[in-house]
Amino acid sequence: GDSVTQMEGPVTLSEEAFLTINCTYTATGYPSLFWYVQYPGEGLQLLLKATKADDKGSNKGFEATYRKETTSFHLEKGSVQVSDSAVYFCALSGNNFNKFYFGSGTKLNVKP
Amino acid sequence: DTAVSQTPKYLVTQMGNDKSIKCEQNLGHDTMYWYKQDSKKFLKIMFSYNNKELIINETVPNRFSPKSPDKAHLNLHINSLELGDSAVYFCASSQGPDQPQHFGDGTRLSIL
Repeated sequence: GDSVTQMEGPVTLSEEAFLTINCTYTATGYPSLFWYVQYPGEGLQLLLKATKADDKGSNKGFEATYRKETTSFHLEKGSVQVSDSAVYFCALSGNNFNKFYFGSGTKLNVKP
Repeated sequence: DTAVSQTPKYLVTQMGNDKSIKCEQNLGHDTMYWYKQDSKKFLKIMFSYNNKELIINETVPNRFSPKSPDKAHLNLHINSLELGDSAVYFCASSQGPDQPQHFGDGTRLSIL
């Protein structure tokens, strides 16, 4: 079945460091891919999305490229800020109607 | 205006009690979901409704019963609460199966 695997956290970085959070997926067909962010005490918010191969989603300095050949959708940011500290979830919308598959989440801690 | 609102935000109760969590969305979406997030942040889908019809019913104890009076509301009733039910429950909605989901802020359920 469809699934998402993302790197375990926590990831701890200093402010202005480069961020990569790995995400790979298993799916039949052509899923849509998403990154969500969850700040402490809040619900998940959509960060970015890509709906077909080679699409690049971007928002707030974060980017992720839909790579069908490597079944990956890694999240990157060139220079993280303390305010980026949160839990990041990779997700896919598969062929199973109305079903989203979320990764296990990666906690990011950014230190001043 | 809050897009997806759930009440209450916190729910503390004793084992064996029955409780309900309400969810409303004002986005005009056709599909609504309930998720359970455990202490390790793992997010598991419980139910999904499309236009008041049950679409997804994952392996969830039958003590959990969703009810959708109209497509803007999806409530969750839990009977005979157990210690293992302690978690954060999130309601979400989306326009379609491959569209982003919009989450509420969650209901933190604590069983004493």
